[in-house]
Amino acid sequence: KAGVTQTPRYLIKTRGQQVTLSCSPISGHRSVSWYQQTPGQGLQFLFEYFSETQRNKGNFPGRFSGRQFSNSRSEMNVSTLELGDSALYLCASSLVGRSYEQYFGPGTRLTVT
Amino acid sequence: DAKTTQPPSMDCAEGRAANLPCNHSTISGNEYVYWYRQIHSQGPQYIIHGLKNNETNEMASLIITEDRKSSTLILPHATLRDTAVYYCIVRKNTGTASKLTFGTGTRLQVTL
Repeated sequence: KAGVTQTPRYLIKTRGQQVTLSCSPISGHRSVSWYQQTPGQGLQFLFEYFSETQRNKGNFPGRFSGRQFSNSRSEMNVSTLELGDSALYLCASSLVGRSYEQYFGPGTRLTVT
Repeated sequence: DAKTTQPPSMDCAEGRAANLPCNHSTISGNEYVYWYRQIHSQGPQYIIHGLKNNETNEMASLIITEDRKSSTLILPHATLRDTAVYYCIVRKNTGTASKLTFGTGTRLQVTL
């Protein structure tokens, strides 16, 4: 069974631009969560989607948004990029009822210059 | 979710058991202990979880003290590929909400 895939793997953007990252969960997994990892703040929860609805949200500004499609694929968008948004963005999927066992993708490394 | 405390780093010789401690003195009765690890440049990987009984799977064993205020993750025969940051997480098993709150973890270095 294929794992969680994220595209693109690497991205360079400039301040003020916006970016969209994509995540395809493991087949059959309907819950998708997003995390941001930086050297200073570590791994932080962004939001979670299930059945195309945001079910949980972390403490991030409104510039960070996401959505989930009917096939459970998810995208996250960051508008008006700031230098501090440079990070590894990780997506994780899980089966409903086994939310503790999340399967993470390899991440998208975003660099904002 | 209860706060966890882990040593920042540990070393272990290859082939020996690696014992990674975690303190969670404010854990409540319905909170579980989860362990994940993150190998460099990869996404975190689920290892094991438990409530109050000791647990074992193909990757590791989890020993939880009787008062549940601390736990130990045991990798019985560490290999170089076990070098990673190990995260101890405490959270309620709500069954649906997936949020994981990661701390700073323990950086385990396995050496020859």
